[in-house]
Amino acid sequence: KAGVTQTPRYLIKTRGQQVTLSCSPISGHRSVSWYQQTPGQGLQFLFEYFSETQRNKGNFPGRFSGRQFSNSRSEMNVSTLELGDSALYLCASSFASGSLRGETQYFGPGTRLLVL
Amino acid sequence: KNEVEQSPQNLTAQEGEFITINCSYSVGISALHWLQQHPGGGIVSLFMLSSGKKKHGRLIATINIQEKHSSLHITASHPRDSAVYICAVVLNTGTASKLTFGTGTRLQVTL
Repeated sequence: KAGVTQTPRYLIKTRGQQVTLSCSPISGHRSVSWYQQTPGQGLQFLFEYFSETQRNKGNFPGRFSGRQFSNSRSEMNVSTLELGDSALYLCASSFASGSLRGETQYFGPGTRLLVL
Repeated sequence: KNEVEQSPQNLTAQEGEFITINCSYSVGISALHWLQQHPGGGIVSLFMLSSGKKKHGRLIATINIQEKHSSLHITASHPRDSAVYICAVVLNTGTASKLTFGTGTRLQVTL
């Protein structure tokens, strides 16, 4: 079974631009979660989707948004990029419940975003 | 004060040593995860615990709900265990759940 894939793997943007990151979960997995990792703040939970619905949301501004498609693939979008958005963005999939309900998650390799 | 505290922040061990990484949290939780992150960023989920103890190979994870504490043990450590180990707790806040991460423990195992 293929693992979680994320595209692109690396991205450079400038302040004010917007960016869309993509995540394809493991086949059969319906829950997708997104995380941001920075040297200063560590890992932080962004949001979780299940069956095309956002089920949980972390403490991030409205510039961060996401969606999930009927095939469980998910995208996250960051508008009006700021320098502080430079980070590793990770997505993880699980069968149904997601990590917030105690289910094991499988992580993708991440997208490393640099905002200049 | 962070809701999740890990100790130590950095740990160096020689191959074969028994290693313990600790995670303490300040509020009630419904589950706790241990994650392993290798250089380059890839994360692997090691354990999910809500009570008791779990073992997988040389790794053992325990949790004491009353004391709000979890430990990750590595027996017979090996250089390939060198990674950052992160604990994450699921906090139930009313109608929503929140996943909060510790800052990680960087482990270096030398020959």
